[in-house]
Amino acid sequence: EPEVTQTPSHQVTQMGQEVILRCVPISNHLYFYWYRQILGQKVEFLVSFYNNEISEKSEIFDDQFSVERPDGSNFTLKIRSTKLEDSAMYFCASSFEQGVRTEAFFGQGTRLTVV
Amino acid sequence: AQSVAQPEDQVNVAEGNPLTVKCTYSVSGNPYLFWYVQYPNRGLQFLLKYITGDNLVKGSYGFEAEFNKSQTSFHLKKPSALVSDSALYFCAVRGRSNDYKLSFGAGTTVTVRA
Repeated sequence: EPEVTQTPSHQVTQMGQEVILRCVPISNHLYFYWYRQILGQKVEFLVSFYNNEISEKSEIFDDQFSVERPDGSNFTLKIRSTKLEDSAMYFCASSFEQGVRTEAFFGQGTRLTVV
Repeated sequence: AQSVAQPEDQVNVAEGNPLTVKCTYSVSGNPYLFWYVQYPNRGLQFLLKYITGDNLVKGSYGFEAEFNKSQTSFHLKKPSALVSDSALYFCAVRGRSNDYKLSFGAGTTVTVRA
């Protein structure tokens, strides 16, 4: 069964450093998302991406965040200068369509720890 | 704004007993409701969704969910739980037709004891 894969599974970084979280969405999917879950809190939407541009973003997704689809398979989330409060589980997701009726398929997550 | 509440942090049941995981929602307009499950070290796996039509929705692994508009609820159910159903369950909602992001509940940890 096709699945979304994320690397690395766990990333530890020092405050102020840049990190890139990587995702390989399901191959025929066209819409891509990043969500995050701070420990003990809800899963929160960060950004959606379609046709090589951001289609929607939350207030969390400020200028220190960026997303890119550098080639035909990878979808990345970059955090430019990490802060302690960026420590969270980051989930990538993809879907074939972007309708309200369409479920998204999620990866296993990358746990980011900022020290 | 759309939101979901999962009132129970944890649900414990014995294997073979019925399992219910509660979810209530708040949304303007028609709700589009989803259940996801997360097993340890795995991603969020889609279980089932309610879009329209029959209020009882059947999904993967023998799970079903009942949409109740008057109570704004979408409880997940399984008639006979298995130890392997032990996991973290998330309810999620989409509201307006042009709002594609999912709003998740806080999650409910289900433990099924042998």
